[in-house]
Amino acid sequence: DAGVIQSPRHEVTEMGQEVTLRCKPISGHNSLFWYRQTMMRGLELLIYFNNNVPIDDSGMPEDRFSAKMPNASFSTLKIQPSEPRDSAVYFCASRWTTNTGELFFGEGSRLTVL
Amino acid sequence: AQSVSQHNHHVILSEAASLELGCNYSYGGTVNLFWYVQYPGQHLQLLLKYFSGDPLVKGIKGFEAEFIKSKFSFNLRKPSVQWSDTAEYFCAVSRANTGNQFYFGTGTSLTVIP
Repeated sequence: DAGVIQSPRHEVTEMGQEVTLRCKPISGHNSLFWYRQTMMRGLELLIYFNNNVPIDDSGMPEDRFSAKMPNASFSTLKIQPSEPRDSAVYFCASRWTTNTGELFFGEGSRLTVL
Repeated sequence: AQSVSQHNHHVILSEAASLELGCNYSYGGTVNLFWYVQYPGQHLQLLLKYFSGDPLVKGIKGFEAEFIKSKFSFNLRKPSVQWSDTAEYFCAVSRANTGNQFYFGTGTSLTVIP
């Protein structure tokens, strides 16, 4: 069974460019989370969706960040325009919303903004 | 507000030493508890989880954790660490019955010296 699939695995871009990160959750999971990981701030929750609906986006740093989940099998995290301080590893995770369901993480997308 | 505290930021041990990593959380209701491990350059993977029943939970690779409700703690232990246990360890809490919110600690970096 395929796990959470993220793309691209690595992205290097220049400041000001638009960045789009993609995530395919595990089939059947109905909750999807976007996290950002940096050395300075650790693992931060950016946003999560339940049944494709954004539930909590309070962790999104600013208006330059946006996330969508048009259907149960796909989500995007977009940064426009990107800045060097956005450099981080972005993880997508999914779960089945039960009391006992754990999070399953993707391999992450390492973003470097020059 | 929820919080998860991991007191040890960086632990260095020699092989065969015993390990205990602390985790405390702030929520007073029923919780689900998790430990995740992140090996260098990889994504987070589940080590073990607690939902109910026996407060001593056994996970993969010889790890175990004990839930002590009165202390709001869920410490991770391993009697004898190996070099391959070098990784970042994250404690996480989700509230039972509103299980979608996952709160992660800041992580503990473990280095095992051969």
